[in-house]
Amino acid sequence: KAGVTQTPRYLIKTRGQQVTLSCSPISGHRSVSWYQQTPGQGLQFLFEYFSETQRNKGNFPGRFSGRQFSNSRSEMNVSTLELGDSALYLCASSETGALNTEAFFGQGTRLTVV
Amino acid sequence: AQTVTQSQPEMSVQEAETVTLSCTYDTSESDYYLFWYKQPPSRQMILVIRQEAYKQQNATENRFSVNFQKAAKSFSLKISDSQLGDAAMYFCAYRSLGQGAQKLVFGQGTRLTINP
Repeated sequence: KAGVTQTPRYLIKTRGQQVTLSCSPISGHRSVSWYQQTPGQGLQFLFEYFSETQRNKGNFPGRFSGRQFSNSRSEMNVSTLELGDSALYLCASSETGALNTEAFFGQGTRLTVV
Repeated sequence: AQTVTQSQPEMSVQEAETVTLSCTYDTSESDYYLFWYKQPPSRQMILVIRQEAYKQQNATENRFSVNFQKAAKSFSLKISDSQLGDAAMYFCAYRSLGQGAQKLVFGQGTRLTINP
């Protein structure tokens, strides 16, 4: 099986712009979670989608949003980019979202805001 | 809210020796999962080992084992016979069993260096 695929791998955007990141989960996985990783704040949970519905949300401003499609692929969008949004964004998928299923991570998208 | 603390930002060990990475957590829940993830320079997080809080027996996976002390809320990772490929950032993580079950709460990480 192919792993979790995140595109693009690297992105440079200007402050004020918006950006969309994509995550394709492992085939058959219906739960997709997003995390932001920065040197200062570490790894922080953004949100989780399961069967096209947002099931959980972290403490991020409304500029951060996401969605999931019927094929379980997920996108996250950040509007009005700020310098502090520069980070590695990681996506993780799991089979059913049940408690005993392992989360598999992608290699992330490195976003730089200038 | 749950918190996870890794007090060792960096650790180093000689190849073939044993190293222990520390992790403490805070929670009011009685049942939960704990994990150790490895993040090599490729950036992909890889699950190393996991522990269910209701299990008293410490989890082991080949050269990796944990010391889970539930009362002390401590969850350390022992790596035996360290190999050069073990060099990476290691993250301790907590996952609740309740609402928000797929949310992982991570510690700040420990950078492990293996000296040949």
